[in-house]
Amino acid sequence: EADIYQTPRYLVIGTGKKITLECSQTMGHDKMYWYQQDPGMELHLIHYSYGVNSTEKGDLSSESTVSRIRTEHFPLTLESARPSHTSQYLCASTGQGGSFGANVLTFGAGSRLTVL
Amino acid sequence: SQKIEQNSEALNIQEGKTATLTCNYTNYSPAYLQWYRQDPGRGPVFLLLIRENEKEKRKERLKVTFDTTLKQSLFHITASQPADSATYLCAPGDTGRRALTFGSGTRLQVQP
Repeated sequence: EADIYQTPRYLVIGTGKKITLECSQTMGHDKMYWYQQDPGMELHLIHYSYGVNSTEKGDLSSESTVSRIRTEHFPLTLESARPSHTSQYLCASTGQGGSFGANVLTFGAGSRLTVL
Repeated sequence: SQKIEQNSEALNIQEGKTATLTCNYTNYSPAYLQWYRQDPGRGPVFLLLIRENEKEKRKERLKVTFDTTLKQSLFHITASQPADSATYLCAPGDTGRRALTFGSGTRLQVQP
């Protein structure tokens, strides 16, 4: 049913390792987002992109980086994972929003990262 | 600063009853407000959008109201079912470039 895909769904990794969380969408959406969410807590925006070669940091400071080389692909990278990075990472996208311009988001299933 | 408040305590109701969830916001002037459903370990799923000039919006058993004077939205599920058990998130938004900000959500538990 989902047109936005995240891999891996679950990742357990040791401290200091480099990781990349993949996010791809097949809807041709220009806007893509990464949110971070701890269990039972609210979503925090960490990165967003409004098109190819456009990326900006979100409201919550994050040591991760993102890139947007292709419209459909918005990977998130952590150069050196730490236990404090343990969380769920959710990717989302939205189109032009129609004549009204509302940003209705389609989310991926999420990537749950555990750093030991 | 902008703030979105949803009841952090879980709402427990009996099957068949109407569930009412509240979303209050401050320091916002949203052009619309969205409601999403999130199941454990999954991403949120869009349910309904209501615009600032709309008082009420319905979709099947769902009803959303939007009071810009009170800065509040109410989300109702009528004839609730155990399958409605989930966390419900509200997200006020505008039509600019600003990304969507979510409330922390209210967990609904419908008992059979």
